[in-house]
Amino acid sequence: QVQLVQSGSELKKPGASVKVSCKASGYTFTSYAMNWVRQAPGQGLEWMGWINTNTANPTYAQGFTGRFVFFLDTSVSTAYLQISSLKAEDTAVYYCARGNYRPDYWGQGTLVTVSS
Amino acid sequence: QSALTQPASVSGSPGQSITISCIGTSSDIGGYNYVSWYRQHPGKAPKVMIYDVNTRPSGVSTRFSGSRSGNTASLTISGLQAEDEADYYCSSYTSSSTWVFGGGTKLTVL
Repeated sequence: QVQLVQSGSELKKPGASVKVSCKASGYTFTSYAMNWVRQAPGQGLEWMGWINTNTANPTYAQGFTGRFVFFLDTSVSTAYLQISSLKAEDTAVYYCARGNYRPDYWGQGTLVTVSS
Repeated sequence: QSALTQPASVSGSPGQSITISCIGTSSDIGGYNYVSWYRQHPGKAPKVMIYDVNTRPSGVSTRFSGSRSGNTASLTISGLQAEDEADYYCSSYTSSSTWVFGGGTKLTVL
């Protein structure tokens, strides 16, 4: 069965960096794009962008350029989200979601808390 | 790309039916069959309830149905049950090759 398993919660200080992983299993990793979605506390879902798992080419939504990086390790079927220069407003749950045109499987989410 | 428009809240009694609307544009909902609906319980990941406008994934109750008219998609839940109380989100693929979500609707089962 298809599974997306994300790394555990992170507590970081402002200015630090964080890397969130999303390990896929149960399907051919390169057959589907991987998307990232943010959910700030008490807020809705926000699409951050996607990465082409064949070419590793990322596309970032407005508001997620510069400090946000998507990358892959196809040898272990894993997608990564790295956020640098963390700010308090980056505190959120980050989800990976498989899909080319619409998300069908989601990871369980990774809570990133940014606090001094 | 602006978010899709959903009502902030809806409510219904057990056994009743409710409908949640999701208003977009011809560049998203009206232009593509890639409209999905998700249910999210507190502290949990979203779960796909409807995809491609009106298709139920395997295992999702037939009480859930989706439809679209023009630039507005709708999710109908019939025979409301206590477990249906959750947040519901719509999403659509867009002409910019992006995804866009609705702001979410809190469903309360009275």
